[in-house]
Amino acid sequence: RKEVEQDPGPFNVPEGATVAFNCTYSNSASQSFFWYRQDCRKEPKLLMSVYSSGNEDGRFTAQLNRASQYISLLIRDSKLSDSATYLCVVSGGGSYIPTFGRGTSLIVHP
Amino acid sequence: DGGITQSPKYLFRKEGQNVTLSCEQNLNHDAMYWYRQDPGQGLRLIYYSQIVNDFQKGDIAEGYSVSREKKESFPLTVTSAQKNPTAFYLCASGTGGFGEQYFGPGTRLTVT
Repeated sequence: RKEVEQDPGPFNVPEGATVAFNCTYSNSASQSFFWYRQDCRKEPKLLMSVYSSGNEDGRFTAQLNRASQYISLLIRDSKLSDSATYLCVVSGGGSYIPTFGRGTSLIVHP
Repeated sequence: DGGITQSPKYLFRKEGQNVTLSCEQNLNHDAMYWYRQDPGQGLRLIYYSQIVNDFQKGDIAEGYSVSREKKESFPLTVTSAQKNPTAFYLCASGTGGFGEQYFGPGTRLTVT
C-alpha cells in the first residue's frame, strides 16, 4: 500500500496569516488527490480536489507536484473557523482504495 | 436531502456483546467504506464494498463483519472477538474508482 505523510503540527498562526501544508505520497502512479477538513470529534468533510493544474476556492489553493510527489494546501487570510485538522487523501496507483494521511492540525488564534 | 446517516451517534456496550452499527446513504453511490479512528490517530480501513453483494477486508478487519445486501446500506457488526472496540466509527460512500468519499457523522462506541 502507498504511504501518505503529513506533518502533524500543530501549526499555530494568528488570524489573517497565510499558512501552507504539504503532503507527500510514495506511489508515483497515484491518480487522485484530495484535501479534507476534520473538526474535533466530527467526520471528515471534503475541502477540495487537487488537479494537475492546481485549483483555487476562495482563500484555499491546492497544488500538485508530481515530480516531487507532494500536494500542498495554502490558506490565505486565516480565520478562527479554519482551526481544524486537514487530511490529505491519495488514491490510484493500483488500488481504488484511498489512503489517508494522519492529518495536520491548524490552530488559528486571535 | 441526499446524504449519509449513521446511527446511533453514541453507543455503549458491555464487553462480550456483539453490536451492529448502521450506515445508510441515498446518494446512489456504489462504493461504501467503514473506517475506525482512535484518539489522535488517522483513519484505518475496516471493510469496503465496491458493489452490492460484494465486500473486501481492509487493513483491520479482524473482529468485524459486514453485509451489503442493498446499495443503500452497509451495516458493520463489531463482534466480541474485537480486542479493543472502543473507537469512533466512520462510514463513507463514493462513486468508487478514484473519486472522492463522503462521510457520515460517525458513531462513538464505548465498550466497558
